[in-house]
Amino acid sequence: AQSVTQLGSHVSVSEGALVLLRCNYSSSVPPYLFWYVQYPNQGLQLLLKYTTGATLVKGINGFEAEFKKSETSFHLTKPSAHMSDAAEYFCAVSSNSGYALNFGKGTSLLVTP
Amino acid sequence: EPEVTQTPSHQVTQMGQEVILRCVPISNHLYFYWYRQILGQKVEFLVSFYNNEISEKSEIFDDQFSVERPDGSNFTLKIRSTKLEDSAMYFCASTSQGSGYGYTFGSGTRLTVV
Repeated sequence: AQSVTQLGSHVSVSEGALVLLRCNYSSSVPPYLFWYVQYPNQGLQLLLKYTTGATLVKGINGFEAEFKKSETSFHLTKPSAHMSDAAEYFCAVSSNSGYALNFGKGTSLLVTP
Repeated sequence: EPEVTQTPSHQVTQMGQEVILRCVPISNHLYFYWYRQILGQKVEFLVSFYNNEISEKSEIFDDQFSVERPDGSNFTLKIRSTKLEDSAMYFCASTSQGSGYGYTFGSGTRLTVV
């Protein structure tokens, strides 16, 4: 079954520092991969997705992620953290059927001044 | 920007009661989903719905749960005989072309079973 593992349930960075949130996936078929962000008391918002084509995908708010098949990874990065980036981040992979998404446990990003 | 709307935002119910969570998906979307997130845990898939029928459901989605699209705009999740462990945030989502396109999620309904 398709699954994702997010390394680090909590990540803390200083404002202006690089953000790196890790996600590794397991999939028996070419995966569709996603990053979602959840701000407090809100729903999940799509940051970016990889389906096919270019392996470096750019999303909203300056985030990007690179699909690395050899490493089965889809890490999320942002060159310079902003205070407003503090949120919960979820990596997800589509199921075999293509209907469902399987989410990771999430990584809580804290940005300090 | 189009939104997925969920009502109510918070519902408290007594154990054993039935609840209906309501969602209005984006109007031109064809695929509809319910997910739940128990406090402190990951987001879990419950069910997907396409062409007026369930297309996939998880092990969580047992006979206690049902979904309906009663009038072409609303999409509801019914939970019969609620249990304490049903307490969670329930998210509705929709998409126009299946999961590969990326969902639009609603803001969720926080269900508290007491």
